[in-house]
Amino acid sequence: GAVVSQHPSRVICKSGTSVKIECRSLDFQATTMFWYRQFPKKSLMLMATSNEGSKATYEQGVEKDKFLINHASLTLSTLTVTSAHPEDSSFYICSALGPLLAKNIQYFGAGTRLSVL
Amino acid sequence: SQQGEEDPQALSIQEGENATMNCSYKTSINNLQWYRQNSGRGLVHLILIRSNEREKHSGRLRVTLDTSKKSSSLLITASRAADTASYFCATDAIYNQGGKLIFGQGTELSVKP
Repeated sequence: GAVVSQHPSRVICKSGTSVKIECRSLDFQATTMFWYRQFPKKSLMLMATSNEGSKATYEQGVEKDKFLINHASLTLSTLTVTSAHPEDSSFYICSALGPLLAKNIQYFGAGTRLSVL
Repeated sequence: SQQGEEDPQALSIQEGENATMNCSYKTSINNLQWYRQNSGRGLVHLILIRSNEREKHSGRLRVTLDTSKKSSSLLITASRAADTASYFCATDAIYNQGGKLIFGQGTELSVKP
């Protein structure tokens, strides 16, 4: 149980285009999801907290107009990188807070490697 | 944001040996968790220890927590090549709301067959 699916796993795009990444909880309802960015051999940097039906809460220094987050249902959150540039190239990972009995645990997607040319 | 410190940053051992990783953190916590990440993949939850617990076991994993020193350790006994991965501690700080975790820098474990 508590499976999180993230799609796509890898995306290559041209500079200036927008890219959407989806994060789905497959077998539980996720009222809260998180979006992280990870640089090579580094820790996870929390970008934002996504709550179903409300605006995302962004961490300090993260541009909310650049990284659009939508959590329109209890099983889906999306991250859109708008007008992507090479410096946005990174590994993006989503997670969802677990169901009631595991509400303190985060379940992670497999990550999306974004390369902006 | 405050993050935990982990040491060592990298650890290389032979199969069958034990691996110990340490984590220090800065704030009061509700719980501390350990996660594992295989290269290029998402994280997988391993074990959670609450602030009022001192030790916890799960299979070959043993976690200790010392809240007075704000530190935790993860011991993997009888390591296997398949244990090769990065291991992160993550703290659920008391002042945080909504389930946010603060991740440490990670320990990269390599288990050689």
